[in-house]
Amino acid sequence: NAGVTQTPKFRVLKTGQSMTLLCAQDMNHEYMYWYRQDPGMGLRLIHYSVGEGTTAKGEVPDGYNVSRLKKQNFLLGLESAAPSQTSVYFCASRQAGQDAGELFFGEGSRLTVL
Amino acid sequence: GQNIDQPTEMTATEGAIVQINCTYQTSGFNGLFWYQQHAGEAPTFLSYNVLDGLEEKGRFSSFLSRSKGYSYLLLKELQMKDSASYLCVDMDSNYQLIWGAGTKLIIKP
Repeated sequence: NAGVTQTPKFRVLKTGQSMTLLCAQDMNHEYMYWYRQDPGMGLRLIHYSVGEGTTAKGEVPDGYNVSRLKKQNFLLGLESAAPSQTSVYFCASRQAGQDAGELFFGEGSRLTVL
Repeated sequence: GQNIDQPTEMTATEGAIVQINCTYQTSGFNGLFWYQQHAGEAPTFLSYNVLDGLEEKGRFSSFLSRSKGYSYLLLKELQMKDSASYLCVDMDSNYQLIWGAGTKLIIKP
């Protein structure tokens, strides 16, 4: 059981380039999330999805787009990367419902924008 | 408003006990979580409190007081592997998770 898998794990981009981060989960979870984590700060929610075909903005959505075409996959896109988007990105998933609050995380994707 | 406060860093000795405090101020409340995060790794779930009181799970315990907007994580019999950041996380009225910046716990021999 792989859990939550993120690809790629490391990437270096030049300003203005585009890329997509892929998150895949095999636990049949309804909810999926993309976070970014910067030094000295808590996890900040970029976008999330409560089910296949649905997405919503989080706390810091600007500069990012997402898609949830299949229940098991949640893609995060950067159309025109900026140095401010240098960060560690975490994907997470969980079951639906209030009591199912435990998040299962991927290993993280470390992105550097030069 | 939504704000979570926890100390930035704490130091403790191997074998001792340490308490990490967290205060939260949210417009609604649906539970308080603690996660552990080792350097360079993803967070992992430790505990969930939705009612007042103490929840014990092995060497780790978590306490919640909803009236005071206060929680703590208690770690007993500290081991070197407990050196990590501990994240206090609030679930608000919309069932969204609000993450604190974390407390970096340093364990000394």
